[in-house]
Amino acid sequence: SAVISQKPSRDICQRGTSLTIQCQVDSQVTMMFWYRQQPGQSLTLIATANQGSEATYESGFVIDKFPISRPNLTFSTLTVSNMSPEDSSIYLCSVEDLQTGIEQYFGPGTRLTVT
Amino acid sequence: KNEVEQSPQNLTAQEGEFITINCSYSVGISALHWLQQHPGGGIVSLFMLSSGKKKHGRLIATINIQEKHSSLHITASHPRDSAVYICAVAGDGNEKLTFGTGTRLTIIP
Repeated sequence: SAVISQKPSRDICQRGTSLTIQCQVDSQVTMMFWYRQQPGQSLTLIATANQGSEATYESGFVIDKFPISRPNLTFSTLTVSNMSPEDSSIYLCSVEDLQTGIEQYFGPGTRLTVT
Repeated sequence: KNEVEQSPQNLTAQEGEFITINCSYSVGISALHWLQQHPGGGIVSLFMLSSGKKKHGRLIATINIQEKHSSLHITASHPRDSAVYICAVAGDGNEKLTFGTGTRLTIIP
């Protein structure tokens, strides 16, 4: 299994600012996924991050708004840029299970409130 | 129509009751996950199924591939089981997950 930690666990930010969320895994993984969960909604995939290559973004999400770094096999960051109240969500990272190749482990989430 | 549908959306039960949460999906899958999300937002993976049945403590998950249906059961429910339970499927040849909207379970002491 993989243990995932995220920082910060929660934050309250002002409109127009940016926040970088960190995701740390205790083992090496190939693919990391970033999700957004808006209030009362299910999870929506933002992008998939592979080490050494640019992240692949889902429809409706762009790199300028959600830049992602993946400097090594155990770490990734997601930045929420130029925030607005609509960005208030829980942001989660997850990683694939290397043995099965199927995504399985989720981080504890970062609860973001934009005022 | 959503690819993954869960029922019920909300469920309130007394402590000790047997709980069943259902998940139906409309696409071919390689695996189905049951996830638990507590009020703080963190998600815990409970089960990953591709066939049959799995049991962990008081939790049991079953899947019927032919009927494209899975159930999560909780025996002897407890207030600490109160959470949102989410069904998610991994499509054939696709590592991305598609999520249901979740079932909010509240167990009353």
